[in-house]
Amino acid sequence: AQSVTQPDIHITVSEGASLELRCNYSYGATPYLFWYVQSPGQGLQLLLKYFSGDTLVQGIKGFEAEFKRSQSSFNLRKPSVHWSDAAEYFCAVGVVRGSYIPTFGRGTSLIVHP
Amino acid sequence: NAGVTQTPKFRVLKTGQSMTLLCAQDMNHEYMYWYRQDPGMGLRLIHYSVGEGTTAKGEVPDGYNVSRLKKQNFLLGLESAAPSQTSVYFCASSSTNYNQPQHFGDGTRLSIL
Repeated sequence: AQSVTQPDIHITVSEGASLELRCNYSYGATPYLFWYVQSPGQGLQLLLKYFSGDTLVQGIKGFEAEFKRSQSSFNLRKPSVHWSDAAEYFCAVGVVRGSYIPTFGRGTSLIVHP
Repeated sequence: NAGVTQTPKFRVLKTGQSMTLLCAQDMNHEYMYWYRQDPGMGLRLIHYSVGEGTTAKGEVPDGYNVSRLKKQNFLLGLESAAPSQTSVYFCASSSTNYNQPQHFGDGTRLSIL
């Protein structure tokens, strides 16, 4: 079965600093990978997704993620964080197992200091 | 565009009471899901449906029932609420195209006293 690990429960950065959120997955084949963001009191919104092709994926709000098969990772990055980026971030892996049932990591809470 | 709509947004129940959470989607999606979100636990799948009239158990189904009588609606029921079911509940939907993401509602915050 697939699994997703987000090793950092909380990350604190200063506004304007760069950001990297880690995600590691466990799955035998090439997975479908997603990053979602959840603002307080809201549902999850898709930031970006990877299925195949170019391993560097661009998303909304200036985020990007890189798929590294050798490391089973799909880390999320942003070169310069804005205060509005403070939110909960979830990595998810989706596979075809008769039906589409994605698995989510436990999330990383991003705190942005002014 | 409404997307995925959950009702109610907030609810307080007493232990032993029952209630139904409603999820409606207007994207003609085949798949629908119910999750619960608890601090430090991420999203845990309660039940899901791959089409009208079908339901299946997820990771944490005990204490919940679901129904998908219409394609656009997915109901989550608590027959006898327990304090352990205090949580934020999210509904999501997705198409059968595996390269498309899930669409989430804004959640229902449920407290069981």
